[in-house]
Amino acid sequence: EAGVAQSPRYKIIEKRQSVAFWCNPISGHATLYWYQQILGQGPKLLIQFQNNGVVDDSQLPKDRFSAERLKGVDSTLKIQPAKLEDSAVYLCASSGQGMVTDTQYFGPGTRLTVL
Amino acid sequence: AQSVTQLDSQVPVFEEAPVELRCNYSSSVSVYLFWYVQYPNQGLQLLLKYLSGSTLVKGINGFEAEFNKSQTSFHLRKPSVHIIDTAEYFCAAHSQGAQKLVFGQGTRLTINP
Repeated sequence: EAGVAQSPRYKIIEKRQSVAFWCNPISGHATLYWYQQILGQGPKLLIQFQNNGVVDDSQLPKDRFSAERLKGVDSTLKIQPAKLEDSAVYLCASSGQGMVTDTQYFGPGTRLTVL
Repeated sequence: AQSVTQLDSQVPVFEEAPVELRCNYSSSVSVYLFWYVQYPNQGLQLLLKYLSGSTLVKGINGFEAEFNKSQTSFHLRKPSVHIIDTAEYFCAAHSQGAQKLVFGQGTRLTINP
């Protein structure tokens, strides 16, 4: 079974530029999550999708971050414009139905450096 | 508010020695508790989880954890570690009132030969 795929693996941009990350979850998984992991910290949930609807985006900085999950499969996370403090690893995860008891499966992450 | 505290940011141990990684949670309701491992340049992988039942939970790679409600702890243990266990370990929790998985800050386990 293929795992969660993410691209790119690394990205370096200047502040105020825009950037987009892509995630392809495990086939058949209804729930998709985007996390931000700042160096030295645990992952923090940015947004959770159930199929193509948003379940929780309370910690997403909506003035600069946006995410979509068209057709309930792949997802894209965008930052526009980027700030220095956005430097982090962005992790995508998926789970079967989004129940709290479900295991979340994580992709390898995209490491973003904002200069 | 639900929060998870990992008491040690780094734990160095010698190969084949036992190890315990500490995790405490705060919550006024029952919790579901998880331990994830992150190997260098990889995503997180589930080691084990406590949902209900036996307070001693066995996971992959020889790890186990014990849920202690009175001490609000969920410490991770392994009787004998190996070089391949070098990684970052994250404790995480759900509260029954929230759908969100909240992570601790992580503990970096380094194994010295």
